[in-house]
Amino acid sequence: GESVGLHLPTLSVQEGDNSIINCAYSNSASDYFIWYKQESGKGPQFIIDIRSNMDKRQGQRVTVLLNKTVKHLSLQIAATQPGDSAVYFCAETNDYKLSFGAGTTVTVRA
Amino acid sequence: DAGVTQSPTHLIKTRGQQVTLRCSPKSGHDTVSWYQQALGQGPQFIFQYYEEEERQRGNFPDRFSGHQFPNYSSELNVNALLLGDSALYLCASSRQGANEKLFFGSGTQLSVL
Repeated sequence: GESVGLHLPTLSVQEGDNSIINCAYSNSASDYFIWYKQESGKGPQFIIDIRSNMDKRQGQRVTVLLNKTVKHLSLQIAATQPGDSAVYFCAETNDYKLSFGAGTTVTVRA
Repeated sequence: DAGVTQSPTHLIKTRGQQVTLRCSPKSGHDTVSWYQQALGQGPQFIFQYYEEEERQRGNFPDRFSGHQFPNYSSELNVNALLLGDSALYLCASSRQGANEKLFFGSGTQLSVL
């Protein structure tokens, strides 16, 4: 089965609010994690990554948190905008491939 | 700076036919990985090409094969198509066989009737 999964398949967020997307992984040997955003009709777009020797990493309006104790990964989006509506995937790797979860569909309400 | 480009964007085939999908990596990248994405699912790794060789392979049958050319572009071939091969096929590129910061193309939507 898949080694990476997301807690919720859908998330509805009010424009301007912060979004939190969660992901659980099962492979304790994973050493690199990535969040991707996929809009309809497009391929996955890199958002942010984090290595297993880090707990937190920040980008522009996004923050990724890694809790290795409980094998949990989260993506926080600040001040969610309509353009953030998409499917979000977490992916992990410790070898030659990325393993993706099924994704969380984020819908931003105006 | 061109990103990852794939062709064609859409394709319709019938069962038993063969198909070839093409990918040009992002400028400066030399590694190409192929993924299959079924509707409503995350992408699944098919294989990776680096230095014109298949370096790694996922859990896909031998009907799926590929090639990488000296200019780093790549082809994915699928023989004896099945209905279950209908999916979005994504190409991703990176540097030096790495899986870090993969850049994806927009994919080829394959429909098998």
